[in-house]
Amino acid sequence: EVQLVESGGGLVRPGGSLRLSCAASAFTFSNYCMTWVRQTPGEGLEWVASISWGSTFIYYVDSVRGRFSISRDDAKNSLFLQMNNLRAEDTAVYYCARSLGIGNHYFDYWGQGTLITVSS
Amino acid sequence: QSVLTQPPSASGTPGQGVTISCSGGSSNIAVNTVNWYQQFPGTAPKLRIHNNDRRPSGVPDRFSGSKSGTSASLAISGLQSEDEADYYCAAWDNSLNGYVFGSGTKVTVL
Repeated sequence: EVQLVESGGGLVRPGGSLRLSCAASAFTFSNYCMTWVRQTPGEGLEWVASISWGSTFIYYVDSVRGRFSISRDDAKNSLFLQMNNLRAEDTAVYYCARSLGIGNHYFDYWGQGTLITVSS
Repeated sequence: QSVLTQPPSASGTPGQGVTISCSGGSSNIAVNTVNWYQQFPGTAPKLRIHNNDRRPSGVPDRFSGSKSGTSASLAISGLQSEDEADYYCAAWDNSLNGYVFGSGTKVTVL
């Protein structure tokens, strides 16, 4: 069964850094594009970043561009999100999700999420 | 503030139908496909409709989607208690070069 398992969440002070990981299993990871989506507690979903197969194309929402960096290691079936200069408004549950492409594509599997709390 | 607009809530009694709207614009829904996700509290979203009106394997045919112009809709017929959840529409936005989600609609089964 396809599985996506996020890790790396926790409490961090404003201005701090955190690296999220998403471990994939039961599918050919390198054939899929991967995305991070976040959800502020009690609020809606917000797309954060996407990375294509082979890391050829990378996209970010404006609010994180320059602070967050998405990457992948196909040999380890893993997706990452390096989060720097964190702000209170980055507090959210972060989900990783897969899709066959970027753009007119959908997320057919999602991880269970990892909570990031940015607070002093 | 979400790029795609959904009503905050919708409700119906068991067996009734409910329709959720998703309003977008010329750079997203008008030119790209719409997908719908269902989310129960404390859990990850699940895909319910993709490519405007396609149901993934295992999704009951009570769920249906449609799109016209800059708007899309998710209809749930024969409402069941297990359908009580939050529903989000989503699409790629060519101007923002990213995915946009709707604000979410909480469906309540009365």
